[in-house]
Amino acid sequence: KAGVTQTPRYLIKTRGQQVTLSCSPISGHRSVSWYQQTPGQGLQFLFEYFSETQRNKGNFPGRFSGRQFSNSRSEMNVSTLELGDSALYLCASSSRPGVLYEQYFGPGTRLTVT
Amino acid sequence: KQEVTQIPAALSVPEGENLVLNCSFTDSAIYNLQWFRQDPGKGLTSLLLIQSSQREQTSGRLNASLDKSSGRSTLYIAASQPGDSATYLCAVGAGNMLTFGGGTRLMVKP
Repeated sequence: KAGVTQTPRYLIKTRGQQVTLSCSPISGHRSVSWYQQTPGQGLQFLFEYFSETQRNKGNFPGRFSGRQFSNSRSEMNVSTLELGDSALYLCASSSRPGVLYEQYFGPGTRLTVT
Repeated sequence: KQEVTQIPAALSVPEGENLVLNCSFTDSAIYNLQWFRQDPGKGLTSLLLIQSSQREQTSGRLNASLDKSSGRSTLYIAASQPGDSATYLCAVGAGNMLTFGGGTRLMVKP
């Protein structure tokens, strides 16, 4: 059974640009969550999607948005990139929404903003 | 607001030692606690998931315990090996999200 996949794995963008990251959950999983990992703040929750609906959102500015498609694949978008957005972005999939069930993480997308 | 703390932040041990990693959390109203392993530049690998009604979980050389009332969890690694070198993260499941600790960076020397 294939794991969580994220594309691209590495990305370099310039300040002010926008970026879209993609996450494909484990087959059969319908919940996808996104996290940002930085050396200073650690791992922080961005948002969660289930059945194409955002169920929960962390404390991030509106420049961070996401969506989920009918096949459960999810994308997150960051507009007007800032240097501080440089981070490892991780997505996790689960069979059900919330955190009652085990979360499986992908390898992450390393975003560098210059 | 849930806060999760991991002690120590870094640990270096010789191969073969048994070791304990600690995780504490401030709000005991949790659904579960999950331990992860992260290799440099990589994603997270789930090691153990303990539901709030459980006291411990075991997988191979790993044993994790949970004391919800005191807000503590420990990860015990038996007979450590160089391949165990990684960062270990605990995450508390509450509400609709995981709240992570800062991690313990473990180095096991041959």
